[in-house]
Amino acid sequence: NAGVTQTPKFQVLKTGQSMTLQCAQDMNHNSMYWYRQDPGMGLRLIYYSASEGTTDKGEVPNGYNVSRLNKREFSLRLESAAPSQTSVYFCASGSYTGELFFGEGSRLTVL
Amino acid sequence: AQSVTQLDSHVSVSEGTPVLLRCNYSSSYSPSLFWYVQHPNKGLQLLLKYTSAATLVKGINGFEAEFKKSETSFHLTKPSAHMSDAAEYFCVVSAQAGTALIFGKGTTLSVSS
Repeated sequence: NAGVTQTPKFQVLKTGQSMTLQCAQDMNHNSMYWYRQDPGMGLRLIYYSASEGTTDKGEVPNGYNVSRLNKREFSLRLESAAPSQTSVYFCASGSYTGELFFGEGSRLTVL
Repeated sequence: AQSVTQLDSHVSVSEGTPVLLRCNYSSSYSPSLFWYVQHPNKGLQLLLKYTSAATLVKGINGFEAEFKKSETSFHLTKPSAHMSDAAEYFCVVSAQAGTALIFGKGTTLSVSS
């Protein structure tokens, strides 16, 4: 009963390096989301995918790209990491009622 | 456009006393509203949701919230706080399923013995 699985849980990068955060859900949901969480800012939407084959920008998309590989998987890529991207990243999938199911988060530090 | 405002960034209560976490929303459509809880170093968990059925919504762990359209509010309450309720709470609004949910900035609830 995995739900939403994110990898890696922790990552340290140097400025300019690239990396991909992976997310997979086993609940057959159409919609998937990537949020970042920063102290005092709540969760801010980076990108979302309402269904397989579609992606849309959220509130803070700059510096990120996404791929909806199939219905299960939705990855987030940082092409050239910056210290401002130090954050905790959450992937979520959404049921047809709008409820979100979250992964446990990926803590990224960019030096 | 949708938005959500959590009126208190931090609320402190004593164990056994009532909890009130305040949330106001703005939406061009009939919204769905949610409260999520996040315990330290954990992901977010749904507490309760309002989707245009009963205006008083009961959730897990004794929490409930009342949708008041005239006041555009969706405040979260619990009659008696427990130490395990200490966490961060997020009020969330959505115009319709499949669209992005908008999160408030969160309210940190502290519970003292």
